[in-house]
Amino acid sequence: AQKITQTQPGMFVQEKEAVTLDCTYDTSDPSYGLFWYKQPSSGEMIFLIYQGSYDQQNATEGRYSLNFQKARKSANLVISASQLGDSAMYFCAMRGTSGTYKYIFGTGTRLKVLA
Amino acid sequence: GAVVSQHPSRVICKSGTSVKIECRSLDFQATTMFWYRQFPKQSLMLMATSNEGSKATYEQGVEKDKFLINHASLTLSTLTVTSAHPEDSSFYICSARADVGPYSPLHFGNGTRLTVT
Repeated sequence: AQKITQTQPGMFVQEKEAVTLDCTYDTSDPSYGLFWYKQPSSGEMIFLIYQGSYDQQNATEGRYSLNFQKARKSANLVISASQLGDSAMYFCAMRGTSGTYKYIFGTGTRLKVLA
Repeated sequence: GAVVSQHPSRVICKSGTSVKIECRSLDFQATTMFWYRQFPKQSLMLMATSNEGSKATYEQGVEKDKFLINHASLTLSTLTVTSAHPEDSSFYICSARADVGPYSPLHFGNGTRLTVT
């Protein structure tokens, strides 16, 4: 079975500082994709970044980077130079290539950026 | 690109009535769309996978007769909450993939907040 774990229900970060949001996963699939989404209070789900299990390099997208450690089964999101607008819920998700190809989501981390 | 439009964004209905939620892929075709439900301060729970031209695949515990899904075209899927009750009040959000690759991300609509009185 596949599982995503986000152990930080809430995080605070000072504006302009970097923050790491943790995500660990469990899967028996030989290949899979890992995703991060941002959900502001308005409710929409915004795709941030993606990492493939066979990608050699960590994914980066602007101020977002993914610290992918395959052996440890972790895919942490790093947000650099935090902005007030980064305050939101952040969800880690995974999709495997076996079974029903479902996307499964973690329980989320609520990030609050302090001025 | 990869825009998913969901309508309505909010709906309030009386207990016993039915509510239809539309999900459209605006700039791509989606043979598969996914419907999620989210309770306050919780994660997304997959309700069903909507397949164009065929029956939806429902997750365990989701009532097929309560949540009717129709995927009549490559750009439109609808979720109808039939005979809604207060416990159906929730945030419903649809999603689709723009690319056929196995690891293409889901793109989400803005969600529908349903309140049943």
